[in-house]
Amino acid sequence: DAKTTQPNSMESNEEEPVHLPCNHSTISGTDYIHWYRQLPSQGPEYVIHGLTSNVNNRMASLAIAEDRKSSTLILHRATLRDAAVYYCIRGSYNNDMRFGAGTRLTVKP
Amino acid sequence: GAVVSQHPSRVICKSGTSVKIECRSLDFQATTMFWYRQFPKQSLMLMATSNEGSKATYEQGVEKDKFLINHASLTLSTLTVTSAHPEDSSFYICSAPPRGFDEKLFFGSGTQLSVL
Repeated sequence: DAKTTQPNSMESNEEEPVHLPCNHSTISGTDYIHWYRQLPSQGPEYVIHGLTSNVNNRMASLAIAEDRKSSTLILHRATLRDAAVYYCIRGSYNNDMRFGAGTRLTVKP
Repeated sequence: GAVVSQHPSRVICKSGTSVKIECRSLDFQATTMFWYRQFPKQSLMLMATSNEGSKATYEQGVEKDKFLINHASLTLSTLTVTSAHPEDSSFYICSAPPRGFDEKLFFGSGTQLSVL
């Protein structure tokens, strides 16, 4: 039970913003929300994580709903190198990090 | 930053042989490590959680006698696929979890196992 749900796939045009949604309706008060992405034949790569407040880093922004039952990963300007499978994970108290199916992002030139 | 080193990156073996995959945490100690398996075009499936100095915790449906996990030190965990068969061919990934769940997870680069 991954405890998060994401769309199977999304498409974006290069240099346009991308909003990747994630639902985690059973999230507990101490769970962090993590985002990772994976390229073919590679291990997952960290993107961003947060608890309650929106977060920004050089790769992306994370917008967390006020009730914390959903979040959105924002890539401000998609590039071809951003094409990957994006996983949203709910970091549980016992560090049980299970992956859902993820969203396959396709970026069109 | 912290790194998890996983070796080998690729291994091809004959059916019936055993294969060992190593996962090392560099620059930090990992009392717990996760082992995942990933089939083509599928997500990562958690196989087991290895704990330094104690027995690993296996997920339901994962054969503990088939996938031997040893976490002998605070920086090394190994996964041995015993008597490998073609159906064991997969991409295996290890990771070291956050020291607290408010930190990011560090992943190895993965091992592609092909059993002939």
